[in-house]
Amino acid sequence: QKEVEQNSGPLSVPEGAIASLNCTYSDRGSQSFFWYRQYSGKSPELIMSIYSNGDKEDGRFTAQLNKASQYVSLLIRDSQPSDSATYLCAFPGNTPLVFGKGTRLSVIA
Amino acid sequence: GAVVSQHPSRVICKSGTSVKIECRSLDFQATTMFWYRQFPKQSLMLMATSNEGSKATYEQGVEKDKFLINHASLTLSTLTVTSAHPEDSSFYICSATKTGGPEAFFGQGTRLTVV
Repeated sequence: QKEVEQNSGPLSVPEGAIASLNCTYSDRGSQSFFWYRQYSGKSPELIMSIYSNGDKEDGRFTAQLNKASQYVSLLIRDSQPSDSATYLCAFPGNTPLVFGKGTRLSVIA
Repeated sequence: GAVVSQHPSRVICKSGTSVKIECRSLDFQATTMFWYRQFPKQSLMLMATSNEGSKATYEQGVEKDKFLINHASLTLSTLTVTSAHPEDSSFYICSATKTGGPEAFFGQGTRLTVV
């Protein structure tokens, strides 16, 4: 069974710090990975996708993928209180994406 | 773009009545849509996969006669919660994928409260 493991948190970081969110996955053959952000009471929103080993940067967000270690991470630089949310990583399963349970991030002002 | 619109965003209904939730892909055709349920502080739970023009595939433990799914066009899927009970109160979310791409795009979600 394809699975995604995430630390549920909460992860607390001070405003301005770097938040590091991590995810391991079971399917060695998976080629694409996604990070979603879910604010409390809202639905998930796609914020990053990554398809190849290495880093992908988009503004304050950097996704890192290591296929050999089956590990994907999301770094948030200069964390803001508005970044406080649950972050879900996901990869394609047989049909729907397989989601982790999410890591709750709290950025303290 | 990839916009998925879900309606209504909130609904309160009486126990025993039925509620219909609509999920529309506004700027792309979605051959497959997914329905999730999420209880407070819990993770997404996939309920069913909806394919245009065919019967939905339900996850184990989800009653297909209670949660009716219709995917009549490439841009619209509906979920009807029949004979709703208070334990059906939850946050229902749909998502859709574009042809050829694995990313899921989510609707805004529907908060259902059964009283």
